[in-house]
Amino acid sequence: GAVVSQHPSRVICKSGTSVKIECRSLDFQATTMFWYRQFPKKSLMLMATSNEGSKATYEQGVEKDKFLINHASLTLSTLTVTSAHPEDSSFYICSARGPAAGEGQFFGPGTRLTVL
Amino acid sequence: GNSVTQMEGPVTLSEEAFLTINCTYTATGYPSLFWYVQYPGEGLQLLLKATKADDKGSNKGFEATYRKETTSFHLEKGSVQVSDSAVYFCALSGSNNRKLIWGLGTSLAVNP
Repeated sequence: GAVVSQHPSRVICKSGTSVKIECRSLDFQATTMFWYRQFPKKSLMLMATSNEGSKATYEQGVEKDKFLINHASLTLSTLTVTSAHPEDSSFYICSARGPAAGEGQFFGPGTRLTVL
Repeated sequence: GNSVTQMEGPVTLSEEAFLTINCTYTATGYPSLFWYVQYPGEGLQLLLKATKADDKGSNKGFEATYRKETTSFHLEKGSVQVSDSAVYFCALSGSNNRKLIWGLGTSLAVNP
């Protein structure tokens, strides 16, 4: 149980285009999902907390107009990188808070974004 | 605020060696503590967790004990295998906060 999927696993796009990444909780409902960015050999940087039915909460320094988050249902959150630039190339990871208290988060496999 | 300090890597061991990866934390209240593992080319996986003082989390031969008196949650394994080569992250979740606070990760390489 508690499986989180991400799609796509890898995407290459041209500079200036927008890319949408989906995060789904497959066998449980997730009222809260998280979006992270992971740089090579570095820890995860929390970008935003996605709450079902309400606006996402962004961490300091993260541009909300550039990284659009939508959490339209209890099993799906999407991250759209708008007008992508090469510096947005990174590994994006989503997670969902487990259904039970103190369960921690369950992570998707990540999406490798490369902006040319 | 809450924070996690994790020993820097990389750590290189021979197979069957004893492993300790130190993790200490600063937090108010009663946080839950976690170890996550990221194998090469894969996503993060929860390795083990502890939700209250003196709890011991264990999985796949790894153990960590929630020590409130020393604010530590050190990861240990008695005999590592090549397949344990991965990056290990210590994290905490505050008692009133759903966010995870992460350590920087420790890369472990186990040689045959």
